[in-house]
Amino acid sequence: KNEVEQSPQNLTAQEGEFITINCSYSVGISALHWLQQHPGGGIVSLFMLSSGKKKHGRLIATINIQEKHSSLHITASHPRDSAVYICAVNGGSGGSNYKLTFGKGTLLTVNP
Amino acid sequence: GAVVSQHPSWVICKSGTSVKIECRSLDFQATTMFWYRQFPKQSLMLMATSNEGSKATYEQGVEKDKFLINHASLTLSTLTVTSAHPEDSSFYICSAIRDPNQPQHFGDGTRLSIL
Repeated sequence: KNEVEQSPQNLTAQEGEFITINCSYSVGISALHWLQQHPGGGIVSLFMLSSGKKKHGRLIATINIQEKHSSLHITASHPRDSAVYICAVNGGSGGSNYKLTFGKGTLLTVNP
Repeated sequence: GAVVSQHPSWVICKSGTSVKIECRSLDFQATTMFWYRQFPKQSLMLMATSNEGSKATYEQGVEKDKFLINHASLTLSTLTVTSAHPEDSSFYICSAIRDPNQPQHFGDGTRLSIL
């Protein structure tokens, strides 16, 4: 079983819809990351959080440490949000605080 | 700020060739750099962790003689795929951190195709 599980694996939405991607993890962590990977392959770090909630523009990330669960929300989705969203955690079984353990990603497609 | 440049972005070469990929942190000194490999529709897989001036730490199952990592300075790490074969064809991506408490900053990746 993967230490980091994401759902859904694939998500198709209409422009303007509110989107939620979920991430559950099974190990103790020091931080959780949400990353965005565009079709060309480049990766952008969206959020790094260890508690509570963070907001950046239309993106919101929340984490519940007790439940070992995080969500990424996108409000008023747009076709340019189409990408793979990856959840990753620091401090899993890798034994180092800065090594990341990755989920398999959620492919989001937003149709106009 | 916090830009990581990776070069080349795309390489096609013949089997048996050695290929060098560069990863540079442009506007910060990277205490640690990471090299990842990604197969189509799969998650990133950490290959090795690289600290300036010391030997890289390779993950289990990654051949250190096959994938040579040199971290010559606080702004440059290189990955050399030696005697590449078709099974080495993959997407390779690096990242760098300035501080363990900060996010990793990723390069744009290198798509390697071995014929």
